[in-house]
Amino acid sequence: DSGVTQTPKHLITATGQRVTLRCSPRSGDLSVYWYQQSLDQGLQFLIQYYNGEERAKGNILERFSAQQFPDLHSELNLSSLELGDSALYFCASSVVSGSGIGANVLTFGAGSRLTVL
Amino acid sequence: DQQVKQNSPSLSVQEGRISILNCDYTNSMFDYFLWYKKYPAEGPTFLISISSIKDKNEDGRFTVFLNKSAKHLSLHIVPSQPGDSAVYFCAARALTGTASKLTFGTGTRLQVTL
Repeated sequence: DSGVTQTPKHLITATGQRVTLRCSPRSGDLSVYWYQQSLDQGLQFLIQYYNGEERAKGNILERFSAQQFPDLHSELNLSSLELGDSALYFCASSVVSGSGIGANVLTFGAGSRLTVL
Repeated sequence: DQQVKQNSPSLSVQEGRISILNCDYTNSMFDYFLWYKKYPAEGPTFLISISSIKDKNEDGRFTVFLNKSAKHLSLHIVPSQPGDSAVYFCAARALTGTASKLTFGTGTRLQVTL
């Protein structure tokens, strides 16, 4: 158990639908990251939050949005789902943000597998 | 545009031998490189990192080598053990303002056989 909790573990839904993925970071970590891993692809960075504020944005589609709440948990909302959104979505956390290497030693959750039919 | 490439999708090595996993990158702005290991049904876990100002970093059985001129890094595992069987991701960091962004490769699946 890494300390990062993601729910649900698996989710099957239909095209056009909307889903919410939830992440609780490791205790004491202020920074939350979301990554997408499609088949045979690397981990694609979507977005980062630090202590409730958006810190960095990657290749996140406009149909996707995220937020980090005061208790530091984060949610990734995926709407108007398409077949190509089927992927593993990982949440990761770190203690800090910024230029120190500690900001990049991420602790990952086990992922949420989304299947869009 | 794949800025971090792991050209070998898989690698099989005998127990006790050396495993060498390779990674190439294109962005000269990367200043840190990291390796993560991933077991099935788990998230990636941090393994080892190296700063762009160094050419080698060692941690027990794991050593990472960096060749900046060739934009190439490698992870050596000596001796390889069956528990090392996993997918290994190379990642590179670039600073963007006050934040830093990791770019991951597609991973290499290592199988250590008895």
